[in-house]
Amino acid sequence: KNQVEQSPQSLIILEGKNCTLQCNYTVSPFSNLRWYKQDTGRGPVSLTIMTFSENTKSNGRYTATLDADTKQSSLHITASQLSDSASYICVVRSYYGNNRLAFGKGNQVVVIP
Amino acid sequence: DTGVSQDPRHKITKRGQNVTFRCDPISEHNRLYWYRQTLGQGPEFLTYFQNEAQLEKSRLLSDRFSAERPKGSFSTLEIQRTEQGDSAMYLCASSLAGQISYEQYFGPGTRLTVT
Repeated sequence: KNQVEQSPQSLIILEGKNCTLQCNYTVSPFSNLRWYKQDTGRGPVSLTIMTFSENTKSNGRYTATLDADTKQSSLHITASQLSDSASYICVVRSYYGNNRLAFGKGNQVVVIP
Repeated sequence: DTGVSQDPRHKITKRGQNVTFRCDPISEHNRLYWYRQTLGQGPEFLTYFQNEAQLEKSRLLSDRFSAERPKGSFSTLEIQRTEQGDSAMYLCASSLAGQISYEQYFGPGTRLTVT
């Protein structure tokens, strides 16, 4: 079973609308959680990073939340733009494992005009 | 551009041929990682180096795969006797050991298609 589960697998939203992506993880002990944006045919680019003590982190129109007790994170996209069309990958790092990261499968977001 | 670079960006090869990919990390980064990503999936860890030492290899890295980082700078990933199942995006990432955030910066990837 994957240690990082994301939902929904894919969604289509109208330009200008908001959306929220979910990430549930079982990685333990927890070190940090990142959300990456991956455009088609490109490598992932980090959007936010949160450690155990952080509940929310913003990067422009992207706002990530973390509940370390329930092991859940969300990424909220405000006022979506066409350029937000991408896969959003939740990545969790444990303290152990030689810097090994656990990747979710990604949320595929398509923004339509 | 001082980010992670990969070459080639795309490679089409026939089954049974050998291929080699190159990754140039961010210059001051001493850790380098290789991942494989198939459509609709997140990246899967293959192997990583700290300087020139290969410290960990995934079970996904079969005997047909070999990675090197001879001088602790660029790295190569070779796949021998390619199979159709090797078709994927091969991502390279680098990071700086000792940073508490340990962010890995990804390259653009090499898309391999085995026909």
